[in-house]
Amino acid sequence: DQQVKQNSPSLSVQEGRISILNCDYTNSMFDYFLWYKKYPAEGPTFLISISSIKDKNEDGRFTVFLNKSAKHLSLHIVPSQPGDSAVYFCAARNYGGSQGNLIFGKGTKLSVKP
Amino acid sequence: NAGVTQTPKFRILKIGQSMTLQCTQDMNHNYMYWYRQDPGMGLKLIYYSVGAGITDKGEVPNGYNVSRSTTEDFPLRLELAAPSQTSVYFCASNRQAEGYTFGSGTRLTVV
Repeated sequence: DQQVKQNSPSLSVQEGRISILNCDYTNSMFDYFLWYKKYPAEGPTFLISISSIKDKNEDGRFTVFLNKSAKHLSLHIVPSQPGDSAVYFCAARNYGGSQGNLIFGKGTKLSVKP
Repeated sequence: NAGVTQTPKFRILKIGQSMTLQCTQDMNHNYMYWYRQDPGMGLKLIYYSVGAGITDKGEVPNGYNVSRSTTEDFPLRLELAAPSQTSVYFCASNRQAEGYTFGSGTRLTVV
C-alpha cells in the first residue's frame, strides 16, 4: 500500500519552460513534505520542503504547493535548466509515527532538453 | 565536513556470503537510516536508529542486521546474501525535524 505516490515515472520539458512534478499521499497524519533530487551514482539531496500548516513554499526557481484537502503536492521549477535533469523524489513524514522517518515515492525522472 | 560516508561504493557477492556496509557521519546527528532502492522503485527503509544503542526495524528488515555503538557509525550487515538483496543501499542521517543527508550509496550485486 503506497502512502506516497508519484504517478509519472518520467517528464520531459524544454529548457526555459516550467516543470511540474506531482505527488499524492494517502495518510492525513503526514505533517511535513520534502522533495529530494537525485543524480545518477549519487545519493539524494534535499531540495525543498513544506510544513502541513502551509500551502506554498518558495526557494528561488523552486516552489512547492500543498493542497491538503486533495492530499496533493507539486513541485514547480521555473525556468527549467538542463542541470535540473535528475530523478525527483517526494517524501512525507508521519510525526505520529517513527521519529524522523520519511516515506518516499518512487520518483519522477525529469529531462530538460536544451 | 564529509557529511555521510558510505563504503564500499560497489560490491559483488556470491549467494550465501556475508558482508557489512559501512556508514559514518560527522555531523553529530542522532538519527540514522538505511534505505534500499530497487530499479524503478522508491527508497524503502530497512533499519533506523534514533541514537547510540537504539535501533529499530523499518519496512524491509529481513535478511539484515544493524548496530549503533557510536553516534557516528551505523553499519548494515548482510549475513547470507540472496539475489533479492541486489540493490543500491543508501545511508542517511538527520537531526529530529530536519531533512536527511544521504550518503552516495553502495551498489550491491548478489550472484
